[in-house]
Amino acid sequence: GQQLNQSPQSMFIQEGEDVSMNCTSSSIFNTWLWYKQDPGEGPVLLIALYKAGELTSNGRLTAQFGITRKDSFLNISASIPSDVGIYFCAGGRSNYKLTFGKGTLLTVNP
Amino acid sequence: ETGVTQTPRHLVMGMTNKKSLKCEQHLGHNAMYWYKQSAKKPLELMFVYSLEERVENNSVPSRFSPECPNSSHLFLHLHTLQPEDSALYLCASSQDRGNTEAFFGQGTRLTVV
Repeated sequence: GQQLNQSPQSMFIQEGEDVSMNCTSSSIFNTWLWYKQDPGEGPVLLIALYKAGELTSNGRLTAQFGITRKDSFLNISASIPSDVGIYFCAGGRSNYKLTFGKGTLLTVNP
Repeated sequence: ETGVTQTPRHLVMGMTNKKSLKCEQHLGHNAMYWYKQSAKKPLELMFVYSLEERVENNSVPSRFSPECPNSSHLFLHLHTLQPEDSALYLCASSQDRGNTEAFFGQGTRLTVV
C-alpha cells in the first residue's frame, strides 16, 4: 500500500525554538494535510494544501506543498509549551482516502 | 470543538462481549469514516460511508460491523473482539467523499481483555 515517510519521529526542543518536520512519498498526492493530536484526543486539522508549490500559514505554523507533489513540510516558529503533541501529515488524492504518516512527537521544554 | 462527537471515550470489554461505538457529526457533512489508531502505526482507514451508503470496507474483520442510519450518525458494532483489537477508534467526517479534508472526533479508547 501507499506509505508516507514522516520525519523526524520525535523532537525535543526548547521553548522559543523553531521546528521543521516533513513528509515524503514515492507517489503523487493532490492534497496535503497536517494534523496535530494531543494525548487522549483526536487529530485536529491545522493546515490543508491543495496546489503544488502552495505555501500556507496558520499563525505560527507554515506548511508547503512540494513542487513535485510528493512531499510537504511543516514549520512551527517560536515554539511554546502548548505545541507539544503528535503531528501527522496526510496525503490525499481525488477521493476520500487519506494516507497518513506515522507522526512526529514534539516535546517542548519550557 | 464539538463538530464530531464520539461516545464512549473509554471502553473496556471482554472477548465475548458485544458493544457499540457511536459517532455524531454536527457539520452537515455527507461522508463519515471509521479509523483505527494503534501505537507506532499510521492511521488505518476501516470504513467509509457516503450519504449513508457504505463505499469502503478496507478488509476489516467481520467482528467489526458498521452502521450508518443517517448522514449525521455512525456506529461501530463490536463482538467477539481479540486483544489485538485494542486501539483508539476514531470517527471522522468530510463534506463529501470527494473531499479529503477530514475532521476527527476525540476517539474511543478501546481495551479488549
